[in-house]
Amino acid sequence: DIVMTQSPATLSLSPGERATLSCRASQSVSSKLAWFQQKPGQAPRLLIYAASTRATGIPARFSGSGSGTEFTLAISGLQSEDFAVYYCQQNNNWPYTFGQGTKLEIK
Amino acid sequence: QVQLVESGGGLVKTGGSLRLSCAASGFTFSDYYMTWIRQAPGKGLEWVSYISTTSGFIKYTDSVKGRFTVSRDNAKNSLYLQMSGLRDDDTAMYYCARGLEQLGYWGRGTLVTVSS
Repeated sequence: DIVMTQSPATLSLSPGERATLSCRASQSVSSKLAWFQQKPGQAPRLLIYAASTRATGIPARFSGSGSGTEFTLAISGLQSEDFAVYYCQQNNNWPYTFGQGTKLEIK
Repeated sequence: QVQLVESGGGLVKTGGSLRLSCAASGFTFSDYYMTWIRQAPGKGLEWVSYISTTSGFIKYTDSVKGRFTVSRDNAKNSLYLQMSGLRDDDTAMYYCARGLEQLGYWGRGTLVTVSS
């Protein structure tokens, strides 16, 4: 199975700052990489698919980049509603696997 | 608008069975692959299974293979997950989601608790 490793586990930032979240795959997943946001008590929400394409309705402050084994989710100008847990997920090889998550918390 | 509503969760004894359902509306159900994903309490996400539009292509994660069966009824706009031989580590919130590479719509989940 492909192991997805996210870093850091926790990121403490202030509103208005820029967040950079990393995701590394144990082998190449091409550009078959998605990012999800999850808030407590809610289902995950798709932010980015195909590594860099924003899902419908996702603000432009969210951007994804990378290919192969290294991926980044950047959030510019953090807003209060952005503090949540973020997961990356590969859909290149079955079983499709998720990273363990990065918790973005208010500093 | 797209809606996915899971049901059928609950408390079940170890070794027992449960059938989850996911009722879809607001889109042409038969046009989309469908997916089950679970999340153990306080843990991360695990892809359980997916099923193609005509049920001709189905995949399971290894930990549920032989115990879980995914199916769909396109006439009823419904997705199912038949779970048997339930184990303690199957305890999780089970979500259905539309699609395969773009999981843009999720239900709110149904909680399955397995306990001896």
